[in-house]
Amino acid sequence: AQSVAQPEDQVNVAEGNPLTVKCTYSVSGNPYLFWYVQYPNRGLQFLLKYITGDNLVKGSYGFEAEFNKSQTSFHLKKPSALVSDSALYFCAVRDPGYSTLTFGKGTMLLVSP
Amino acid sequence: EAGVAQSPRYKIIEKRQSVAFWCNPISGHATLYWYQQILGQGPKLLIQFQNNGVVDDSQLPKDRFSAERLKGVDSTLKIQPAKLEDSAVYLCASNSPGGVGTDTQYFGPGTRLTVL
Repeated sequence: AQSVAQPEDQVNVAEGNPLTVKCTYSVSGNPYLFWYVQYPNRGLQFLLKYITGDNLVKGSYGFEAEFNKSQTSFHLKKPSALVSDSALYFCAVRDPGYSTLTFGKGTMLLVSP
Repeated sequence: EAGVAQSPRYKIIEKRQSVAFWCNPISGHATLYWYQQILGQGPKLLIQFQNNGVVDDSQLPKDRFSAERLKGVDSTLKIQPAKLEDSAVYLCASNSPGGVGTDTQYFGPGTRLTVL
C-alpha cells in the first residue's frame, strides 16, 4: 500500500522569507512523487515531480523539492515567498507497481505581506 | 493547448435526487480519472479509464455511482440517488501515458456538489 503524510495543516510565513511545506511517504518500491497546488475554486495545478535522478527537483513558479530516500521525505521549498503563493498544497505518491496516485490531505500555505 | 473541461461548475440538489457531471480531457490523452475531494481532504480516486475501458474502479461506490467513457474521449459520472455525504468537489484529470508511473495528471476545475 502507498500513503502520504502532510504533518502540517497550515504553514504561515512572511513575504520574502523562505518557505517549506513538509511531506513524507510510504511505498514498497522506489516512489514517484508529485506536488500540486490548488487555488480557491480551482482544480489542482501541477508544480513538480520526482521520478529518478537528481534529488533536487525544480518546478513552476520558483518552487523546488528535495527527495530524501533515507527520511522518506519530499519537502516543497521556495527561497522567497510571495503573497500570491498562498494556496492549498498537495503532495502525492505513486508506487511503481500501481497506476493510481495517492494524495496527502493538503497543507494550507498563508503568506503575509 | 486547451485544458481539462468540466461542467457544471456548481450543482445543488436534494438528497435522493440524481446528478451527472461531464468531463472532456485534454486532446489525445488516453487516460481519464475521476476523483472525489471532500472538504479538508486530498482527492480520492473513484475511477480510472484507459481509452474506453475501466482500469480501476475499486473505490467507486457502485450501488449509487456510475461512470462511462463510451467513445474513449469525454466521460460522464453519475450519482443516483445522492446522499448528504456525497457533498464534495468532483475532479476530472487526464494524462498521456509515458513510461509506467511517470506520467503527470492534469486536472480540470472541478464540480462542486452540495447535497441538501
